[in-house]
Amino acid sequence: DAGITQSPRHKVTETGTPVTLRCHQTENHRYMYWYRQDPGHGLRLIHYSYGVKDTDKGEVSDGYSVSRSKTEDFLLTLESATSSQTSVYFCAISEQGDRPRYSPLHFGNGTRLTVT
Amino acid sequence: TQLLEQSPQFLSIQEGENLTVYCNSSSVFSSLQWYRQEPGEGPVLLVTVVTGGEVKKLKRLTFQFGDARKDSSLHITAAQPGDTGLYLCAGTVAGAGSYQLTFGKGTKLSVIP
Repeated sequence: DAGITQSPRHKVTETGTPVTLRCHQTENHRYMYWYRQDPGHGLRLIHYSYGVKDTDKGEVSDGYSVSRSKTEDFLLTLESATSSQTSVYFCAISEQGDRPRYSPLHFGNGTRLTVT
Repeated sequence: TQLLEQSPQFLSIQEGENLTVYCNSSSVFSSLQWYRQEPGEGPVLLVTVVTGGEVKKLKRLTFQFGDARKDSSLHITAAQPGDTGLYLCAGTVAGAGSYQLTFGKGTKLSVIP
């Protein structure tokens, strides 16, 4: 298994509070991604990173921010959590994100976030 | 509109039966990947197909990429309870200038012993 650790695995928080999810990798891969998975929507890309301090928006980036100060860590922050952000969040890494046909995604085991 | 449509959404079969799940699009893909996801875990790559008409086999699983690279299928022979899971297809649109993978919504397969 690729060395990807997501923390926490489960979190319950209240509407309006800030939340930070962490993804840590030991593979030294350049590309890191945050996805959310919801019934009826599948996996949707929130943000991704193609290097330290290099990030870009995905399909559903509103209400989320990310930071990558080290190769191994990619943080996802919900500035002010809303009930619509209740979801399962997955971090993924790839070696050659610009050549996905040759470099698949390796996923962490997810963080289940509930916003009440 | 979903770029990648997977069918069926749900499939429940008896152990030993054969099945096929489909991944279709109106767009041409430069490559397509299939993942399997088990409850409480992240998706795990099964295969990548890149050439139109390509067929790849992984034990009892057969993957096919359509000639026009707009569709793909996954056929499982003699399904086992261990095949139970969510099967996801994902691809990169040819010439889109983006290397972001687009995922289908998945087919949830249950194999009953």
